Amino acid sequence: NAGVTQTPKFQVLKTGQSMTLQCAQDMNHNSMYWYRQDPGMGLRLIYYSASEGTTDKGEVPNGYNVSRLNKREFSLRLESAAPSQTSVYFCASSATGSSLEKLFFGSGTQLSVL
Amino acid sequence: KNQVEQSPQSLIILEGKNCTLQCNYTVSPFSNLRWYKQDTGRGPVSLTIMTFSENTKSNGRYTATLDADTKQSSLHITASQLSDSASYICVVSGMDSSYKLIFGSGTRLLVRP
Repeated sequence: NAGVTQTPKFQVLKTGQSMTLQCAQDMNHNSMYWYRQDPGMGLRLIYYSASEGTTDKGEVPNGYNVSRLNKREFSLRLESAAPSQTSVYFCASSATGSSLEKLFFGSGTQLSVL
Repeated sequence: KNQVEQSPQSLIILEGKNCTLQCNYTVSPFSNLRWYKQDTGRGPVSLTIMTFSENTKSNGRYTATLDADTKQSSLHITASQLSDSASYICVVSGMDSSYKLIFGSGTRLLVRP
C-alpha cells in the first residue's frame, strides 16, 4: 500500500552541486506533479506530466528539469543547486489530471542548499 | 491575481473542543475547492473536494462549507482529537486548467490535552 514514494527524505547540497529527486507511484496514475513548499507560502507547482511521455512547466520551473521515465516514475533534477532552492519538495499523482480528482502526495524531500 | 487566503495562521484548542478554519479565495473561474490535512513531515492528504454546486461536505468529524457567491469556505472540526494537530490547507482549482491549483499557506492547528 505504498502510494507515492519519494527518495531521498533529506539531502544537503553545496551550491553548484547537482542531484535528482526520485518519485514513483504504484496506483497506475497517468498524471504526476512536482511541488515545492516554502515556509509561509502555499505549495507551488514546478513541473507536471499529464501522461507518460509529456512534461510541462508549472509556476516555478527555473533551475529544474524533469523526466517522466515511464508511467510510474517522475524525477526532478537540480543541475546547479542554489540556496534559493532550499525547500521541501513533494511529488504527487492523480488518475487522469481531471480538475475534480484528488491528488495523492508523497512524504516529501527536505533539501538544504548551503 | 488568483489568491487563496487562510485564517487564522495558527490555532491552539483543547482536546474535545470544536474549531472552524476559514478560507477566502479570489480564483476565477472556479471549478472546485479542496481541503487537505498535512501532518508534520508528511505530504498533504485530501479531506474534501467541493464543486460550485455543493455547499457542504463531511468526512467524519470534518465538515467543509462553501459559499461560491462570497468566495468563502470553512472547515469545521468537531470534538477535536490530539491526532487533529496538523496544518490544514485550502486549495482552489480554476476551470481553465486541472494543473493550476492555487494553494493557501495553511492553518496550523495544535490540539492540547
